[in-house]
Amino acid sequence: GAGVSQSPRYKVAKRGQDVALRCDPISGHVSLFWYQQALGQGPEFLTYFQNEAQLDKSGLPSDRFFAERPEGSVSTLKIQRTQQEDSAVYLCASSFPVRGETYEQYFGPGTRLTVT
Amino acid sequence: GENVEQHPSTLSVQEGDSAVIKCTYSDSASNYFPWYKQELGKGPQLIIDIRSNVGEKKDQRIAVTLNKTAKHFSLHITETQPEDSAVYFCAASIGSSASKIIFGSGTRLSIRP
Repeated sequence: GAGVSQSPRYKVAKRGQDVALRCDPISGHVSLFWYQQALGQGPEFLTYFQNEAQLDKSGLPSDRFFAERPEGSVSTLKIQRTQQEDSAVYLCASSFPVRGETYEQYFGPGTRLTVT
Repeated sequence: GENVEQHPSTLSVQEGDSAVIKCTYSDSASNYFPWYKQELGKGPQLIIDIRSNVGEKKDQRIAVTLNKTAKHFSLHITETQPEDSAVYFCAASIGSSASKIIFGSGTRLSIRP
């Protein structure tokens, strides 16, 4: 079946612009995660949704970052007034936890954001 | 805070030889340890995982071992092939929660023909 998809795959923004990154999780997956991956580093947790509820946003680096999943499916990560340090690959993952157990997270291809 | 340390950062092995990547974690409550393979321009792909109630798991040429007492776990790839070349990440759950995993910094594995 279809995997996690993300769009756009590449985004170039001028410093100060707002951007919106989209994630389409695997159909039926309850949990959705956003990660930020800097060049040469491992993914770093940003935020987590279970259905439409944002249960953990402790990894969002500043109040310029905002994520939503209004209908419990597609999610959007928005970055306001982008800064050069926001340049990274933004990864989305989804999973289907059962009775609170951690289950496999399936990742999308990521969106590479470059802020100039 | 919680962290996962991964070694080595780069690894080059002859085709057909074995490769071993090691990780340590800090949160004694962690109970889920996945390994991911990431190829250039792609998202991480889960290749194997282990839960805290077992000490070893194998899947064809890949095996993972877990030592909860020492808080370390390792990935073993045997009979390496060119297509094994990639960046590998270990990860550990934060506590027993299903909501968050923390990644190591990655190992770039190169297979020499």
